[in-house]
Amino acid sequence: ETGVTQSPTHLIKTRGQQVTLRCSSQSGHNTVSWYQQALGQGPQFIFQYYREEENGRGNFPPRFSGLQFPNYSSELNVNALELDDSALYLCASSFSGTSYEQYFGPGTRLTVT
Amino acid sequence: GQQLNQSPQSMFIQEGEDVSMNCTSSSIFNTWLWYKQEPGEGPVLLIALYKAGELTSNGRLTAQFGITRKDSFLNISASIPSDVGIYFCAGRLQGAQKLVFGQGTRLTINP
Repeated sequence: ETGVTQSPTHLIKTRGQQVTLRCSSQSGHNTVSWYQQALGQGPQFIFQYYREEENGRGNFPPRFSGLQFPNYSSELNVNALELDDSALYLCASSFSGTSYEQYFGPGTRLTVT
Repeated sequence: GQQLNQSPQSMFIQEGEDVSMNCTSSSIFNTWLWYKQEPGEGPVLLIALYKAGELTSNGRLTAQFGITRKDSFLNISASIPSDVGIYFCAGRLQGAQKLVFGQGTRLTINP
């Protein structure tokens, strides 16, 4: 069974730029959730995708957007990067029948300078 | 928004000691989960709880879903060096898709 994978591992961007992060869900899972984890904090929910549509969103501005593909993989896009966007971005996959058991990938560490 | 208050924030214990941590909320949750995160990695699911009063074990770890549905507890017995890490509680409100996380409990073990 393949776990959740994310790419890239680390990324450095400049304020104002755009970034795309990628996630492949665990085999057998059809739902992907994205979280932002600031240093020393717990993960904060950004949004969830199910059947290629957004299925719940946290308190994040519209410049955070996403996609889910037919193979259940997902992308997180962030436009107009701000310094406060520096964080660990976590992807979690689950099966819609038990979507509360979310399994996390290793994360992408984004640094905005 | 909903917040989970997790305590203690950090623990420094001797190897072999038992550990207890808890999570409380002003909201009622339908599901409680406990995760462990190590440096440079994502959180790893330890235990999931679905019913008020439920007590579930995973090896030396035992977690309980509080009767009021507003709290949960995690105990680790006979701690070992590999237990070091940050433990997070997470809750799910009825009908919600997201998990709400606590601030984490950092566990350090002195050999």
